[in-house]
Amino acid sequence: AQSVTQPDIHITVSEGASLELRCNYSYGATPYLFWYVQSPGQGLQLLLKYFSGDTLVQGIKGFEAEFKRSQSSFNLRKPSVHWSDAAEYFCAVGRYMNYGGSQGNLIFGKGTKLSVKP
Amino acid sequence: GAGVSQSPSNKVTEKGKDVELRCDPISGHTALYWYRQRLGQGLEFLIYFQGNSAPDKSGLPSDRFSAERTGESVSTLTIQRTQQEDSAVYLCASSPPDRGKHEQYFGPGTRLTVT
Repeated sequence: AQSVTQPDIHITVSEGASLELRCNYSYGATPYLFWYVQSPGQGLQLLLKYFSGDTLVQGIKGFEAEFKRSQSSFNLRKPSVHWSDAAEYFCAVGRYMNYGGSQGNLIFGKGTKLSVKP
Repeated sequence: GAGVSQSPSNKVTEKGKDVELRCDPISGHTALYWYRQRLGQGLEFLIYFQGNSAPDKSGLPSDRFSAERTGESVSTLTIQRTQQEDSAVYLCASSPPDRGKHEQYFGPGTRLTVT
């Protein structure tokens, strides 16, 4: 069965420091991978996605992620964190189901809460 | 353009009562999803609509939960005889016509509290 693991529940970094949030997935085929961010009281916003091609993908707000098939990982990175990046981050894998529509739900990790120190 | 909207934003109900949660997807989006997010947890998939049919209801936790969708528009999630464990944020998402890419756009959610 497909699954997503985010091993870090809570991470604290200083403003201006670099950030890496870990994500490991279990999926039998080439996955569709996503990172979402959820600010307090807000819905989920898509940061970036990987479908195929270049394994380093760029997203919004200066985030990037690298797909590593050999490690079943899709870690999120940012070179310099801003205080406004404090939020919860969710990694997700698209569950492919052949309904004739090729769509399916997302399977989410449990999230990593990011705190930013001044 | 307008995003996914959900109503109400907050709902407090007594145990045993029925509740209806509403989702308005982005216009033109054929796929619609309901998820549940319990405190401190990731999102749990509940149900998926393609148009007004629901090919995947595998995430509905019990027969107290049901959902319907009118055409490619509004969806309602109904929880009957609510229990305290139903307290969660219920998120709706929609996707544009099939590109096999699973891109989902989320609404702000409905926070349900069962007392």
